[in-house]
Amino acid sequence: NAGVTQTPKFQVLKTGQSMTLQCAQDMNHEYMSWYRQDPGMGLRLIHYSVGAGITDQGEVPNGYNVSRSTTEDFPLRLLSAAPSQTSVYFCASSKGQGESRTQHFGDGTRLSIL
Amino acid sequence: GESVGLHLPTLSVQEGDNSIINCAYSNSASDYFIWYKQESGKGPQFIIDIRSNMDKRQGQRVTVLLNKTVKHLSLQIAATQPGDSAVYFCAENRGSSASKIIFGSGTRLSIRP
Repeated sequence: NAGVTQTPKFQVLKTGQSMTLQCAQDMNHEYMSWYRQDPGMGLRLIHYSVGAGITDQGEVPNGYNVSRSTTEDFPLRLLSAAPSQTSVYFCASSKGQGESRTQHFGDGTRLSIL
Repeated sequence: GESVGLHLPTLSVQEGDNSIINCAYSNSASDYFIWYKQESGKGPQFIIDIRSNMDKRQGQRVTVLLNKTVKHLSLQIAATQPGDSAVYFCAENRGSSASKIIFGSGTRLSIRP
């Protein structure tokens, strides 16, 4: 059981480039989320999904797009990378309701924008 | 805006002693709280959770206390070990679903031999 898998683990981009961070989970979880973590700070919610075909914005959605075509996958797209998007990105999933709100995290994608 | 915060950014504890990590929250509507542990280079890992209808919950070597009167949450780690060195985050969930879990800024726990 792999849990939450994020790819790539590391990426360097130039300003203005676009890319997609991949996230897949094999636990049949309905809820999936993307967070960014800047040095010395907590995690900030970018976008989340409560099920296939349903997405919504979190605290810091600007500059990012998401889609949820399947239960398993929740990719995060950077449309035009900016240095301010240099961060570590974490994907998480959970069953979602009541006592099952505990989130399972991937090991992150470390992204640098030059 | 409302946020979850922590009293201390770093905590140094002697190996074998108990550790207490504190957290303040400001949204009285939050009904579910979680503590996560994050080791270097890894994603956050669930430690323990507590619902707002409880004031204490115990796990293996960890206890979470919730004081709703003063909106305070704490994580107690018994007999702290070197493997407990990490950053600890409290988080709050507002509402019945996992759609919005808000994290605090974290406390780094270091263990003195």
